Amino acid sequence: DAKTTQPPSMDCAEGRAANLPCNHSTISGNEYVYWYRQIHSQGPQYIIHGLKNNETNEMASLIITEDRKSSTLILPHATLRDTAVYYCMPFSGNTGKLIFGQGTTLQVKP
Amino acid sequence: NAGVTQTPKFQVLKTGQSMTLQCAQDMNHEYMSWYRQDPGMGLRLIHYSVGAGITDQGEVPNGYNVSRSTTEDFPLRLLSAAPSQTSVYFCASSGGTPGYGYTFGSGTRLTVV
Repeated sequence: DAKTTQPPSMDCAEGRAANLPCNHSTISGNEYVYWYRQIHSQGPQYIIHGLKNNETNEMASLIITEDRKSSTLILPHATLRDTAVYYCMPFSGNTGKLIFGQGTTLQVKP
Repeated sequence: NAGVTQTPKFQVLKTGQSMTLQCAQDMNHEYMSWYRQDPGMGLRLIHYSVGAGITDQGEVPNGYNVSRSTTEDFPLRLLSAAPSQTSVYFCASSGGTPGYGYTFGSGTRLTVV
């Protein structure tokens, strides 16, 4: 299983952009990069995914390096409600096996 | 459209008891998975399924059984509960192709005394 490395914690000021990095240097060619978040003790929530190109949706933007070994999730205007644990992981959709790493705890401060 | 429904939401078991955690989805998803999350820890995959009749072990399968007789349901059975199985259990489902992220249920909080 491909491994990921994320910083354990990050702080961000409310209203500023939050940039969360993820290293996935062993990602396979057919694996997408997925990002989820978990707010307090709720079930994880899907945020965004991408293969090679940068992606944007109503929640966030995803920047993937050209070699696909790392990516950055961007929350353009963080709010207090974005305080959560953010997880990135490779996932191909072929096996159904989705493995979570330790994630990054993002604390958005007023 | 209820999404992923887990029952019960809370459960207290005595050591040695058995029980089944229920998970149902109404999105016609092929993939379903079970995770556990211990206090202050990340999610660990217990078992997963890519379709009716097909299951496989995840990272921490010991002490748990699963079966998938229908697309909609994926129950998790605890054979003989132990205090180490005190955890929050999440069920999730996915359409199974890229672009379908997993949708998670709200969890079952299990305490084994």
